Amino acid sequence: QVQLQESGPGLVKPSETLSLTCAVSGYSITSDFFWAWIRRPPGKGLEWIATVFHNGSTYYTPSLKSRVTISVDTSKNQFFLKLRFVTAADTALYYCARLTPKDGYNFDYWGQGALVTVSS
Amino acid sequence: DVVMTQPPFSLPVALGQPASISCRSSQSLVHSDGNTYLNWFQQRPGQSPRRLIYKVSNRDSGVPDRFSGSGSGTDFTLKISRVEAEDVGVYYCMQGTHWPPTFGGGTKVEMK
Repeated sequence: QVQLQESGPGLVKPSETLSLTCAVSGYSITSDFFWAWIRRPPGKGLEWIATVFHNGSTYYTPSLKSRVTISVDTSKNQFFLKLRFVTAADTALYYCARLTPKDGYNFDYWGQGALVTVSS
Repeated sequence: DVVMTQPPFSLPVALGQPASISCRSSQSLVHSDGNTYLNWFQQRPGQSPRRLIYKVSNRDSGVPDRFSGSGSGTDFTLKISRVEAEDVGVYYCMQGTHWPPTFGGGTKVEMK
């Protein structure tokens, strides 16, 4: 069974870097599929942030592209999110998810979410 | 990017009554392969999103048949025939036809 679990600091100061880890179990991230970060700010909807493909290619949402990096550690079966120069607007519930090209692009497995608050 | 629009944000519904959630895309979601990759996700309070419907009208395994999806091109609807207490949450449409995948802003179903 595929499982994803986010981890990272719950509180980040403004202008610093938000760093999150997604640990994947039950499936090798090098085998196939794509891996993504999605967030949900308070009172708002879901926002796709970034995706890393099994071949290492990366894609970012344009509004965050200059501040975001997604990467993988295949030896640990984990992938990561770094968001630099955060502000209060980056406060959100951050999810990692598997993105499958089956039935169009689709998010079929999700982590439980990690709440990150940006505050001094 | 394709913009997905879901008015209104809040939808109060009485138990046992029907609910209808609309979604509109800024461009056609018909893929070159002929399929329309429009999905609906449910996010209950405190839970991760869960897909309910894929390719407009196909229910995922375990989804009650009171949920149904319809639509074509740029206009889509999710219907709940008789709302139950466990249906409270936020519903998102999501298009998977064009890269990158994009979500609607969500419609919050709450008890009246």
